[in-house]
Amino acid sequence: DTAVSQTPKYLVTQMGNDKSIKCEQNLGHDTMYWYKQDSKKFLKIMFSYNNKELIINETVPNRFSPKSPDKAHLNLHINSLELGDSAVYFCASSLDRGNQPQHFGDGTRLSIL
Amino acid sequence: GESVGLHLPTLSVQEGDNSIINCAYSNSASDYFIWYKQESGKGPQFIIDIRSNMDKRQGQRVTVLLNKTVKHLSLQIAATQPGDSAVYFCAESNFGNEKLTFGTGTRLTIIP
Repeated sequence: DTAVSQTPKYLVTQMGNDKSIKCEQNLGHDTMYWYKQDSKKFLKIMFSYNNKELIINETVPNRFSPKSPDKAHLNLHINSLELGDSAVYFCASSLDRGNQPQHFGDGTRLSIL
Repeated sequence: GESVGLHLPTLSVQEGDNSIINCAYSNSASDYFIWYKQESGKGPQFIIDIRSNMDKRQGQRVTVLLNKTVKHLSLQIAATQPGDSAVYFCAESNFGNEKLTFGTGTRLTIIP
């Protein structure tokens, strides 16, 4: 059973479109995250939610909007996609907030044409 | 600002030898450190973590060493195997920050 699952795995779309990426974890964790990994493999936190409450909101364009309907799900909606949004987006979860291991999904590769 | 860096971007090691991957950090307030392994097309996979009240921690074939004096972290992999080929990331955080800051990664290649 996949612990942290993201859909879709690949997303190819045109500039200006709006798209969503879904994430679900079956680990019973309270905290979930979105990361962006660029072409040089650099991983950077975007958002974090704890029990559906936003706790980390990095300097991310407001075209990116996370939504957590319940603590097992954290979705990412992106409006007006731009070329620079091309990257791999990873969802992760941890048992609770604070210093502990985060468990990652296998990523969604977003390519903007 | 805080940063986490790696000394070497690539490392090639003979199969069966030990590998050592190094990481430097700059934030003296960092109190939690973690290593991840990322294989091609996959997400980062947790390997081992260590808190600042320790200087060494061992897992299965892996050891993490923490030197707070020089702000240095290393991951030792014993008897490396072809399956160890991947990109390895160190990351750090502190309790007040609540976020992991990742280093740039080291690509480990195992030579048969």
